[in-house]
Amino acid sequence: QVQLRESGPGLLKPSETLSLTCTVSGSSITSGFYWGWIRQPPGKGLEWIGNIYHSGTTYYNPSLKSRLTISVDTSKKQFSLRLRSVTAADTAVYYCARNVDYAFDIWGQGTMVTVSS
Amino acid sequence: QSALTQPASVSGYPGQSITISCTGTSSDVGGFNYVSWYQQHPGTAPKLLIFDVNKRPSGVSYRFSASKSGSTASLTVSGLQAEDEADYYCSSYTSRNTWVFGGGTKLTVL
Repeated sequence: QVQLRESGPGLLKPSETLSLTCTVSGSSITSGFYWGWIRQPPGKGLEWIGNIYHSGTTYYNPSLKSRLTISVDTSKKQFSLRLRSVTAADTAVYYCARNVDYAFDIWGQGTMVTVSS
Repeated sequence: QSALTQPASVSGYPGQSITISCTGTSSDVGGFNYVSWYQQHPGTAPKLLIFDVNKRPSGVSYRFSASKSGSTASLTVSGLQAEDEADYYCSSYTSRNTWVFGGGTKLTVL
């Protein structure tokens, strides 16, 4: 079955760049779906970060757009997130997910990222 | 973009039905039939319950149903069971080619 797994550093200092990768297994990353990132600060709700298509087409949350880059590596079946100049407000569980029919149907387990000096 | 509006909490007794509302605008919920609902138990990833306003993915219980009227979507959980106690989130595609989530609703089974 299709599985997604996030990976990346769990602790960052303010002003550093957050880099996460999502590895897709059990499915081709070029199979016509969008792939997305969603985050959830501790004790709070979900926030959509952005989506990418295998062609490289991206859609970003306007509130994060100036700091955000989402990319895809089809040969590795991975897509990645880079968020620059992080602050404590970026502390959250970060999820990657498959976007099908305008919904997120398969999610990774999530990875906790803490920004602290 | 502003989050969709959901009640912070709802509750019900086993066997009863509850409804969670999700209010947006004509630029999101009211403008597209692309509302989805998610269930999240503590410490786990969200699970898709409903897509395209009222469609259930394979494997999701028939006790979960949903609808939309204007800019407000609703999720109904019928025949409440203890395992339904969780957080529920709505989401909608928007006119800016973005997605927006609701603030979440905590369902307590009394």
